[in-house]
Amino acid sequence: EIVLTQSPGTLSLSPGERATLSCRASQSVSSSYLAWYQQKPGQAPRLLIYGASSRATGIPDRFSGSGSGTDFTLTISRLEPEDFAVYYCQQYGSLFTFGPGTKVDIK
Amino acid sequence: QVQLVQSGAEVKKPGSSVKVSCKASGGTFSSYAISWVRQAPGQGLEWMGGIIPIFGTANYAQKFQGRVTITADESTSTAYMELSSLRSEDTAVYYCARANGTTVIRRYFDYWGQGTLVTVSS
Repeated sequence: EIVLTQSPGTLSLSPGERATLSCRASQSVSSSYLAWYQQKPGQAPRLLIYGASSRATGIPDRFSGSGSGTDFTLTISRLEPEDFAVYYCQQYGSLFTFGPGTKVDIK
Repeated sequence: QVQLVQSGAEVKKPGSSVKVSCKASGGTFSSYAISWVRQAPGQGLEWMGGIIPIFGTANYAQKFQGRVTITADESTSTAYMELSSLRSEDTAVYYCARANGTTVIRRYFDYWGQGTLVTVSS
């Protein structure tokens, strides 16, 4: 099973700042089958990024994904108030596993 | 617009079973696989298994093999997840999620249901 580790666990930032979230896999994720989801309290996860770097439909361009192999990054260029949430990475190249999440909260 | 609407919250006794439904609208139900993902209180996301409605074939996570059954009814565009031998650790929100294609594996989840809280308590 591919284990995903996310860092940091919590990221405290102010609106307008840049957020950089990391996701590391215990083994290479084939064909960049890596997705990012955003989850707000009481809501279902929402797809942001798939294929490591492709934005899902309707996702603002302040969200970007990068990486390959075992190291992946989600970047939010300028945080908007609605971006404060928990972010999960997911690999779907070998069944499915999710990372433990990074909480982005307001500083 | 694709929508997945799940059945309501359940309270179950340890040792019993629960069956959660997920009704799809706004798309071609049979053309997309449906997976089930659960989230224990304050915890992360865990994939349980998935099904291709047009074939009725299901894949299950090893952890849940023998305890979970995922089915689909094309006539009503509804997928079901039944979990048996419930224990307190199964208390969680259960989500259905649509895959971006007709296979269960190697697919991300582009639409999610609203979640169903299952509480297991004596």
